[in-house]
Amino acid sequence: GAGVSQSPRYKVAKRGQDVALRCDPISGHVSLFWYQQALGQGPEFLTYFQNEAQLDKSGLPSDRFFAERPEGSVSTLKIQRTQQEDSAVYLCASSQGGEANTEAFFGQGTRLTVV
Amino acid sequence: LAKTTQPISMDSYEGQEVNITCSHNNIATNDYITWYQQFPSQGPRFIIQGYKTKVTNEVASLFIPADRKSSTLSLPRVSLSDTAVYYCLVGELWDMRFGAGTRLTVKP
Repeated sequence: GAGVSQSPRYKVAKRGQDVALRCDPISGHVSLFWYQQALGQGPEFLTYFQNEAQLDKSGLPSDRFFAERPEGSVSTLKIQRTQQEDSAVYLCASSQGGEANTEAFFGQGTRLTVV
Repeated sequence: LAKTTQPISMDSYEGQEVNITCSHNNIATNDYITWYQQFPSQGPRFIIQGYKTKVTNEVASLFIPADRKSSTLSLPRVSLSDTAVYYCLVGELWDMRFGAGTRLTVKP
């Protein structure tokens, strides 16, 4: 596709419900990132994939958060038993990778509201 | 991880040059400096990246002194549409961590 696509754009979940957020990166991009952005804050790093390998998941706030990229393209961020503090915009980014320091392209994000 | 410090907010007027400085005292040898721009309800957008000295593209310039402990993003002749949050990131690509950013408001 032309850019990074995230779906759904908006999600309302009842507390305790499980949610799955999808990211379609730019075709051929090796690196994929997930971020969480609370209102008025900068994006907080969650996890990083290089192809299908999850190389860094140090930013995942709890074991309720799980991310996967099984075929090295589409990625899913899953949040189990959602809590109100999970309400935020979840951003996905991809980059060509392969060598250091290239531009990352972001999707428009998924706004999650837990009620 | 090299921590960055930026002003929380800045105001400017249309047509002026805006310089936003970022401090990163413990930058590592392999670290690059990257700036992103974010508008409300959108994901961040890459502006410019550099390692040392000066980098210029069609949008901005990035000045990096020899010691690399700071960097300055320069936006020439800003317009109202440049009102956004600007983030300075320091590190390797796989280690992109955002700070709080600088909220730039351009006034008519």
